[in-house]
Amino acid sequence: DAGVTQSPTHLIKTRGQQVTLRCSPISGHKSVSWYQQVLGQGPQFIFQYYEKEERGRGNFPDRFSARQFPNYSSELNVNALLLGDSALYLCASSSWSSGANVLTFGAGSRLTVL
Amino acid sequence: GENVEQHPSTLSVQEGDSAVIKCTYSDSASNYFPWYKQELGKRPQLIIDIRSNVGEKKDQRIAVTLNKTAKHFSLHITETQPEDSAVYFCAASNIGKLIFGSGTRLLVRP
Repeated sequence: DAGVTQSPTHLIKTRGQQVTLRCSPISGHKSVSWYQQVLGQGPQFIFQYYEKEERGRGNFPDRFSARQFPNYSSELNVNALLLGDSALYLCASSSWSSGANVLTFGAGSRLTVL
Repeated sequence: GENVEQHPSTLSVQEGDSAVIKCTYSDSASNYFPWYKQELGKRPQLIIDIRSNVGEKKDQRIAVTLNKTAKHFSLHITETQPEDSAVYFCAASNIGKLIFGSGTRLLVRP
């Protein structure tokens, strides 16, 4: 059974460019969340999607957007990249267990903005 | 706003000793408290979690305790081994969103 898969694994962009990151959840999971992890810090919540609808948004600018597709895969888009957007972007697939949202993370997409 | 504070930021122990990491959360509505282990260059991996209706949970050498009144929860690792060396993150959740602590870098010296 495949885990959470993310692509690309690494990418380098320049300031002002746009990037799209992709995520496929664990089979049967209908919820996907995105987190940003800057080096040396804990993951920061960006978005949560469930059944193709946005269920939560973190404190990130409108340059960040996401969507979930009918097959429950998801994309995270970041426009007008800044140097500070350099980070590991983690996608998490979740199942609800006893009222708790149990997250399983993918390996992440490491974005470097030059 | 919602916040999770984690201490210490670094912890060095001798192999075989115990390690304790403590977290405090601010949102009293939080009802789920997972702990993740992240090795260098790897994804965070869930090692143990606890719900708000439970005070303590144990899984082999790992245990977690929760004090809802004080809004504290802690991770206890006994008989530490070199492979326990990693960064550990606590988190608190209400309705799906996880708020993470800043992490504890644990070093187990052989």
